[in-house]
Amino acid sequence: QQQVKQSPQSLIVQKGGISIINCAYENTAFDYFPWYQQFPGKGPALLIAIRPDVSEKKEGRFTISFNKSAKQFSLHIMDSQPGDSATYFCAATSGYRGTSYGKLTFGQGTILTVHP
Amino acid sequence: DGGITQSPKYLFRKEGQNVTLSCEQNLNHDAMYWYRQDPGQGLRLIYYSQIVNDFQKGDIAEGYSVSREKKESFPLTVTSAQKNPTAFYLCASSIVGTGGSYNEQFFGPGTRLTVL
Repeated sequence: QQQVKQSPQSLIVQKGGISIINCAYENTAFDYFPWYQQFPGKGPALLIAIRPDVSEKKEGRFTISFNKSAKQFSLHIMDSQPGDSATYFCAATSGYRGTSYGKLTFGQGTILTVHP
Repeated sequence: DGGITQSPKYLFRKEGQNVTLSCEQNLNHDAMYWYRQDPGQGLRLIYYSQIVNDFQKGDIAEGYSVSREKKESFPLTVTSAQKNPTAFYLCASSIVGTGGSYNEQFFGPGTRLTVL
């Protein structure tokens, strides 16, 4: 059962444009939502993360928007650069409150290509 | 230079053979994880371990086995019972903290396994 649905599967934007990746989840026990960035042939690395008690979190050109009632969250990349070309995964975990184990459930991934 | 190492980077196996993937970390993390990555399916958890000599099945454990005899090592064996073993395998580790904080998972560079 897929508990985190991610779209689109692939995305092409021009340099300087805005990249938007969307995720939706089903499990209301999820209480932490990280995004990972993966370059070809490498392991994923944590990019930015959000808790559901805030609606938005911004770090540089990367912003997460969170809609708890709709059970949706999205990653916005402003002023997209060719160096942002990578695969992006959203994830969710219920390990934030009270437990020491943060089992991650990943979305399917989005391949982002930024053309110069 | 702290981090997670996986070896080999590429691995070829004939059908019917068992093969073991290595994962070593020097981050002093208690928890370690194995994920499988397939195109369009994101990362799926195979096994995880929170402490030496203990491990738990993830979502797709069938056809795989692990051991955790040392804190820094978590090898994964892909057995001949795994029906479709060709994939990119990722190892990760994290601290095991108290509730109220997200314990970021750090990923290794991965091993690409191809069954011939």
